[in-house]
Amino acid sequence: DGGITQSPKYLFRKEGQNVTLSCEQNLNHDAMYWYRQDPGQGLRLIYYSQIVNDFQKGDIAEGYSVSREKKESFPLTVTSAQKNPTAFYLCASSHRGPSNQPQHFGDGTRLSIL
Amino acid sequence: SQQGEEDPQALSIQEGENATMNCSYKTSINNLQWYRQNSGRGLVHLILIRSNEREKHSGRLRVTLDTSKKSSSLLITASRAADTASYFCATDARGSTLGRLYFGRGTQLTVWP
Repeated sequence: DGGITQSPKYLFRKEGQNVTLSCEQNLNHDAMYWYRQDPGQGLRLIYYSQIVNDFQKGDIAEGYSVSREKKESFPLTVTSAQKNPTAFYLCASSHRGPSNQPQHFGDGTRLSIL
Repeated sequence: SQQGEEDPQALSIQEGENATMNCSYKTSINNLQWYRQNSGRGLVHLILIRSNEREKHSGRLRVTLDTSKKSSSLLITASRAADTASYFCATDARGSTLGRLYFGRGTQLTVWP
């Protein structure tokens, strides 16, 4: 079955540490996205990529970094510069098109501070 | 902000009743999408309605779009306990960077058996 896999499901970060969240899809989608979800805040876009080796900042990119070396993979690194990283992180993918296509989501990674 | 805003923030009903959620947005759109999120899970796409459409159905779901009022509604008929979830609208704003969706804060629906 095609889908998006996020790992790990739970992650703990120590002060000053960088952590990387994995996102893999086998839907043959060109576009991939990272969102942050905080209680009562809805989804906020961190980074997105429409094609391999290209990505754009979203609304809250500070303290995060991404890479897109393969079509299937879009890992997100939460750096030590992100001072409030505790949140639920969601990865999504979609086909590219003249108008936005429905996005398919993984089941998220919950990141907490130790 | 180009975000959609859902109303109400929370809705509690009995099984068998209908549930209506509303979404308002600020800019012209290409399409509007509704998603569902079960607790602790990712979002699941429910339905997409284009700016030139006024109503769309999918099973027990009915979505309407009024571009003159910049609003949409999601109706779930004959609700079930399994419909308990958060529901989000997302807009594809006309003129925005291709690939961006703007999500609202969601409506938390609770359906009691």
